[in-house]
Amino acid sequence: GENVEQHPSTLSVQEGDSAVIKCTYSDSASNYFPWYKQELGKGPQLIIDIRSNVGEKKDQRIAVTLNKTAKHFSLHITETQPEDSAVYFCAARLLTGGGNKLTFGTGTQLKVEL
Amino acid sequence: KAGVTQTPRYLIKTRGQQVTLSCSPISGHRSVSWYQQTPGQGLQFLFEYFSETQRNKGNFPGRFSGRQFSNSRSEMNVSTLELGDSALYLCASSRRGDEETQYFGPGTRLLVL
Repeated sequence: GENVEQHPSTLSVQEGDSAVIKCTYSDSASNYFPWYKQELGKGPQLIIDIRSNVGEKKDQRIAVTLNKTAKHFSLHITETQPEDSAVYFCAARLLTGGGNKLTFGTGTQLKVEL
Repeated sequence: KAGVTQTPRYLIKTRGQQVTLSCSPISGHRSVSWYQQTPGQGLQFLFEYFSETQRNKGNFPGRFSGRQFSNSRSEMNVSTLELGDSALYLCASSRRGDEETQYFGPGTRLLVL
């Protein structure tokens, strides 16, 4: 099955700095890679995603890059703000037997300090 | 458009009991997936339903089951609860034609004593 590794587990940055979170996946058949933000007491919120036919995608301060050859993808947050503080999860989707499931990384606790 | 709703939000049970959790997907979404989130194991896939049929299942014991109704609402059931079943149970829905894009509900926090 698919395995997703995520680093770092914690990340502390100063407000205004950039933050980068990296993930690797094991199954080359995975074709969809979403990123979720989870705040305390809430469910994961989809913030950006990328499909395997695209190398990079950007949405305002958030961008995701995908390297299919190396099987890794990264989340980039620029000009970080205190409200960016949360746990971020990467995931990979493997289309199996007509259904689809997401395999998640272990999460990154991002803290943006004033 | 309303998001995914889950009920109840919090639940306390004792070992050996059973529990049923409910999920209402976003209007128009036909696929519902369930995940278990724990500090030790992270987010793990339980099962996926589409058009009242389970089409994918994770590596959980048979005590975990689910179903989907004709209006796409879904329930999951855990029988003979164990302490290790304490977790946040998350439901996610997606629409036909874009099923990989999953939107999560707030979850049901289950505590087993």
